[in-house]
Amino acid sequence: GAGVSQSPSNKVTEKGKDVELRCDPISGHTALYWYRQSLGQGLEFLIYFQGNSAPDKSGLPSDRFSAERTGGSVSTLTIQRTQQEDSAVYLCASSLMSGRGLFNEQYFGPGTRLTVT
Amino acid sequence: AQTVTQSQPEMSVQEAETVTLSCTYDTSENNYYLFWYKQPPSRQMILVIRQEAYKQQNATENRFSVNFQKAAKSFSLKISDSQLGDTAMYFCAFLGSSGDKLTFGTGTRLAVRP
Repeated sequence: GAGVSQSPSNKVTEKGKDVELRCDPISGHTALYWYRQSLGQGLEFLIYFQGNSAPDKSGLPSDRFSAERTGGSVSTLTIQRTQQEDSAVYLCASSLMSGRGLFNEQYFGPGTRLTVT
Repeated sequence: AQTVTQSQPEMSVQEAETVTLSCTYDTSENNYYLFWYKQPPSRQMILVIRQEAYKQQNATENRFSVNFQKAAKSFSLKISDSQLGDTAMYFCAFLGSSGDKLTFGTGTRLAVRP
């Protein structure tokens, strides 16, 4: 079956421009996660969705970052007025569900490499 | 807040040999999960092995096994009979009782030499 897909695979943008990154989770997965991987760093949690709701946005680094999920499926991460420090790989993952006491394996997409020049 | 520490930025091992990657973590929780993920150059994160904190028995998946020391908050990964395809970044990760976000270490880059 299809895994998590992300588009675009690579994105080069000029400083100050807005970008949208897309994530298509595995069909039937109600939980969706965004992580950021900067050069030489581990993965940093940004936000997660349970259905269309985002119970935890604590990882978003600034108000330039936002995310939405519609129809309990596709999610879009938007970065406004991009800065050079936004350059990173943005990874999306999905799982059957999330919640206290539950374990559901998170399946990752291949990521979007964002380069801000 | 939980933290995960991987103190070995890079490791190297000869093909067919055994290598151990280290991971320590800090948490006040009693029930949680620990994971090792592999990230090859394709960037695809692949779950290698997982350990439930309430299980005393160390998890094993073929050539991969862990040494889970709950009191010491240590969770190392042993790769036996290393293969060239094991060359990748390896990340240790923690999932707390909230069951949502993973907390990752900074990774260990493993190179398997032919």
